[in-house]
Amino acid sequence: GENVEQHPSTLSVQEGDSAVIKCTYSDSASNYFPWYKQELGKRPQLIIDIRSNVGEKKDQRIAVTLNKTAKHFSLHITETQPEDSAVYFCAASRPNEKLTFGTGTRLTIIP
Amino acid sequence: DSGVTQTPKHLITATGQRVTLRCSPRSGDLSVYWYQQSLDQGLQFLIQYYNGEERAKGNILERFSAQQFPDLHSELNLSSLELGDSALYFCASSVDVGVNSPLHFGNGTRLTVT
Repeated sequence: GENVEQHPSTLSVQEGDSAVIKCTYSDSASNYFPWYKQELGKRPQLIIDIRSNVGEKKDQRIAVTLNKTAKHFSLHITETQPEDSAVYFCAASRPNEKLTFGTGTRLTIIP
Repeated sequence: DSGVTQTPKHLITATGQRVTLRCSPRSGDLSVYWYQQSLDQGLQFLIQYYNGEERAKGNILERFSAQQFPDLHSELNLSSLELGDSALYFCASSVDVGVNSPLHFGNGTRLTVT
């Protein structure tokens, strides 16, 4: 089955700087890659997703890039703000199969 | 609000007991997933149902069972509870299976076993 590795497990950045979280996946047939944000004590929420026919997708300060050849995808957050502090999960899925989640990255924004 | 409803929000029970967690998916969603999240841990996939039938199984203990009813709501039954079962249990739903439908999570049930 699919295996997703996520790095780093923790990340601290100064407010206003950029943050990058990276994930690798094992199954070349995977074609859907969402990112979820989970604030403390709350439910995971989808923040952005990308499909394998697209190399990059942006939504305001958030962007995701996908390298199918290398089988990795990354989340980029620019101009970080205190409210960006949370745990971020990447995930991947093959067609007709469930999502496999990464182990999560705890992002802390330092004021 | 994700549209996924989980009850109860909190549950405190003793070791050896049995509890039932309930989930109502978003209107129109046919697939329901259950995840376990222990303190400061990731999302451990337990089981998935699609339109009443089991679709995929993760690391679900034999003491745990689940089902999806004709009205598409789902229940997760946890029996012979142990201290290590204390966790946040999330239900998620999606429109379909295998069409890359985003998962929508409920607010979770926090289970404390004493």
